[in-house]
Amino acid sequence: SQQGEEDPQALSIQEGENATMNCSYKTSINNLQWYRQNSGRGLVHLILIRSNEREKHSGRLRVTLDTSKKSSSLLITASRAADTASYFCATDARGNTPLVFGKGTRLSVIA
Amino acid sequence: GAGVSQSPSNKVTEKGKDVELRCDPISGHTALYWYRQSLGQGLEFLIYFQGNSAPDKSGLPSDRFSAERTGGSVSTLTIQRTQQEDSAVYLCASSLERRTSGNTIYFGEGSWLTVV
Repeated sequence: SQQGEEDPQALSIQEGENATMNCSYKTSINNLQWYRQNSGRGLVHLILIRSNEREKHSGRLRVTLDTSKKSSSLLITASRAADTASYFCATDARGNTPLVFGKGTRLSVIA
Repeated sequence: GAGVSQSPSNKVTEKGKDVELRCDPISGHTALYWYRQSLGQGLEFLIYFQGNSAPDKSGLPSDRFSAERTGGSVSTLTIQRTQQEDSAVYLCASSLERRTSGNTIYFGEGSWLTVV
């Protein structure tokens, strides 16, 4: 069953605006990761945030994690047309279980 | 190799035929994963290997699906008697190891399977 659920399912914004995507999950986790998938291609790892971290930055990406609410958000600042892709959160639960992915948010950045 | 390599990149097969999908992980990566992604959907976990053993086969959807890994490197996912609902992208990924949680996993470009 899906562990992470992204919200919204689809998001369309103008270039230069910020994009925020949310992820909710159900069980305790060791870490949460965000991946990007361009249409028809493999997934690319963006950022990992551990369960004892609350916020992490990488370039124009900012990820937050609230373990009390079992939720995470991915913020892309000053979006570009090249950011158009699907974004997935993946949870790494306690124990020897595989990464579980959500259904993703399809982001469209319009130039 | 430099990245995770999958073949074939595209496969069209007739219903009822068997197919084999191959994954060549990044050199030195001991953990290997297979996921399936249907059109517009998220990733569905199928199976993972630590070395040559598969501790978790829970995601294989039916006994028509099997996977093996030899020499701690290349893995083959086999689908027997393919059905139309098997049509999907089959994604392979690898990471340094599984025991230590938090390792980044690296994906291949996927094998697009269409069953007609």
